[in-house]
Amino acid sequence: QKEVEQDPGPLSVPEGAIVSLNCTYSNSAFQYFMWYRQYSRKGPELLMYTYSSGNKEDGRFTAQVDKSSKYISLFIRDSQPSDSATYLCAMSDQRGTSYGKLTFGQGTILTVHP
Amino acid sequence: GAVVSQHPSRVICKSGTSVKIECRSLDFQATTMFWYRQFPKQSLMLMATSNEGSKATYEQGVEKDKFLINHASLTLSTLTVTSAHPEDSSFYICSATTRDTQYFGPGTRLTVL
Repeated sequence: QKEVEQDPGPLSVPEGAIVSLNCTYSNSAFQYFMWYRQYSRKGPELLMYTYSSGNKEDGRFTAQVDKSSKYISLFIRDSQPSDSATYLCAMSDQRGTSYGKLTFGQGTILTVHP
Repeated sequence: GAVVSQHPSRVICKSGTSVKIECRSLDFQATTMFWYRQFPKQSLMLMATSNEGSKATYEQGVEKDKFLINHASLTLSTLTVTSAHPEDSSFYICSATTRDTQYFGPGTRLTVL
């Protein structure tokens, strides 16, 4: 079993739809949770960063973390064609030799069509 | 957000040659940098952790003599792919860490003929 599971999709939605992206994980030591967006042939771009459980909102993006269920989500409201990309969840426990090391999900390919 | 650059953005080389890729943190000092490779439609695979002033820590299965990492300063780490072969063709991405998260470079596409 992988430490982080993410449905690779692909996910296709119409413009304006609400998109829900999810990851589950097995390591209860994870405390830091991130979502990255990666366009084709580019490096990942940090979208959202959350520490421990709770919600965080930034513009059209909302990140949720439920540590009791080991489940994280990213919601995109009013999706735009420019949101078409691969979305990667990542997490870290930041302890000892693993400080700064991230464990990534496989990535979900999202297409928002006009 | 923090800015990380990579150079070159793409390189094509002949089999058997060595290629050096640079990773720079432009507006912050990074004690730790990471090197990843990514195959098409796959997620990032961590190759090694690079700490300034010390030897890199390689992930299991990554040949340290083939992928040489040097982290000479708090803003620069280099990855040298020695005696490159076609199977080394991939997208190489570095990241630099601040206190609690990573910022990624734009990546380097390596093609070995």
